[in-house]
Amino acid sequence: EVQLLESGGGLVQPGGSLRLSCEASGFTFSSYAMSWVRQAPGKGLEWVSVISGSGTTTYYADSVKGRFTISRDNSKNTLYLQMNSLRGEDTAVYYCAKARGSSTSSCYTDWGQGTLVTLSS
Amino acid sequence: DIQMTQSPSSVSASVGDRVTITCRASQGISTWLAWYQQKPGKAPKLLMYDASSLQSWVPSRFSGGGSGTDFTLTISSLQPEDFATYYCQQANSVPPTFGPGTKVDIK
Repeated sequence: EVQLLESGGGLVQPGGSLRLSCEASGFTFSSYAMSWVRQAPGKGLEWVSVISGSGTTTYYADSVKGRFTISRDNSKNTLYLQMNSLRGEDTAVYYCAKARGSSTSSCYTDWGQGTLVTLSS
Repeated sequence: DIQMTQSPSSVSASVGDRVTITCRASQGISTWLAWYQQKPGKAPKLLMYDASSLQSWVPSRFSGGGSGTDFTLTISSLQPEDFATYYCQQANSVPPTFGPGTKVDIK
């Protein structure tokens, strides 16, 4: 059974930093692209970033480019999102999502439970 | 980037009703289209991919169709557990954009 467990969310001031983690189990982690998708309170789903299975290819939404960094440690079956220069509009539940295959343009077969990031001064 | 639109934005329906949701892409995406169901406070769940391939957990009352730019999600006979928000997502190219969602609620 695929399991994705996010952690690292919390309350942070604008301009601050946070690192999210997603521990994966139940599948061969390195074989799948992985993404972060966020959802602001009461809003729809917004794709944030994707990383290839090997970790060599990454893409970002324009809204986070230059501020967020996605990475993975295949030896630890863990996905990360380093978030810097956080803004109020980054307030959201952040989901870790497993791609259907190795492609960085894919749908997402499995999702974590989400971790809430709240920006507040 | 490919933009995704959905209609209607919300629909009120009764148990047993047939409900159809439309999703449109700003450019052709072949059948690289997925649908998700999300209930309040829960993560989204993949309903179907490649426009019409159902995930194993999905009942047969759900069906999907379309190709190119126009797609549909149909629930043939709405059940109480189907009240949720439904999102389409294009998987043709990065960024993999989502539609704004369609909320299906009880009439």
